[in-house]
Amino acid sequence: EAQVTQNPRYLITVTGKKLTVTCSQNMNHEYMSWYRQDPGLGLRQIYYSMNVEVTDKGDVPEGYKVSRKEKRNFPLILESPSPNQTSLYFCASSAVPPHTEAFFGQGTRLTVV
Amino acid sequence: GIQVEQSPPDLILQEGANSTLRCNFSDSVNNLQWFHQNPWGQLINLFYIPSGTKQNGRLSATTVATERYSLLYISSSQTTDSGVYFCAVTGGTSYGKLTFGQGTILTVHP
Repeated sequence: EAQVTQNPRYLITVTGKKLTVTCSQNMNHEYMSWYRQDPGLGLRQIYYSMNVEVTDKGDVPEGYKVSRKEKRNFPLILESPSPNQTSLYFCASSAVPPHTEAFFGQGTRLTVV
Repeated sequence: GIQVEQSPPDLILQEGANSTLRCNFSDSVNNLQWFHQNPWGQLINLFYIPSGTKQNGRLSATTVATERYSLLYISSSQTTDSGVYFCAVTGGTSYGKLTFGQGTILTVHP
C-alpha cells in the first residue's frame, strides 16, 4: 500500500530535550516536506526537500532541522524544543512538482512542556 | 503569495442532506487538492483536481481554473463525513508548497 508513515503519532517532551520525528514514504517520491498545523494559523510549511541531499526552508523553519540522506526518509529534528513548537506535524510527499498529488502522513501530535 | 479562501467556515447538517463547499483562489494554480481532516487529525486525500470534474461515491468535485474556484459536493451526508475540509493549492513560484485554505468545519447530526 502506498503510504507516508510518521513516528511517533503522539509525543510529550520537556523543553530542551532533543527529539526526532521520522517520516518514510514508499512511493519513490522526489519531493518531501514538513508542515505544522496550529489553531488560527492553519497549515504552514516548515522545510522541504526536492531530492536526496537537497533541502530548503519553508515558511516557518526556525527551531527545526531536516536531513535527506535517503530518498524514502525525511526526518524532522528539534534540537532544543520549546513550548511554542507544540503543534500537530505532518510529513508529505509527492512526485516532482508542480503537477503532482501530495500524500500526507498520519500526523504527529507534539506537546512540549 | 497565492491566497485561498473557503466558504462557509462552518456547516451543520442533518444526516442525509446535501452540501456544497467552495474554494476560491487568487491566482492560477498548478495543483488543487481537497482533504478531509477526521476527528483524529488525519488528512485524507479526497481529490486531486487542478481542473475538471471528478466523482468518488457520494463526493464529487469541480474546478473551474479560469474562474479560480473549486467546489466540493457531498451528497446524502453521513455522520462519518464530519470533520474539517481543506482546499489546498500550489501555484506561482511556490513550486511544491501547498497553500491551504482555512477549512470548512462540517458537523453532521444523526
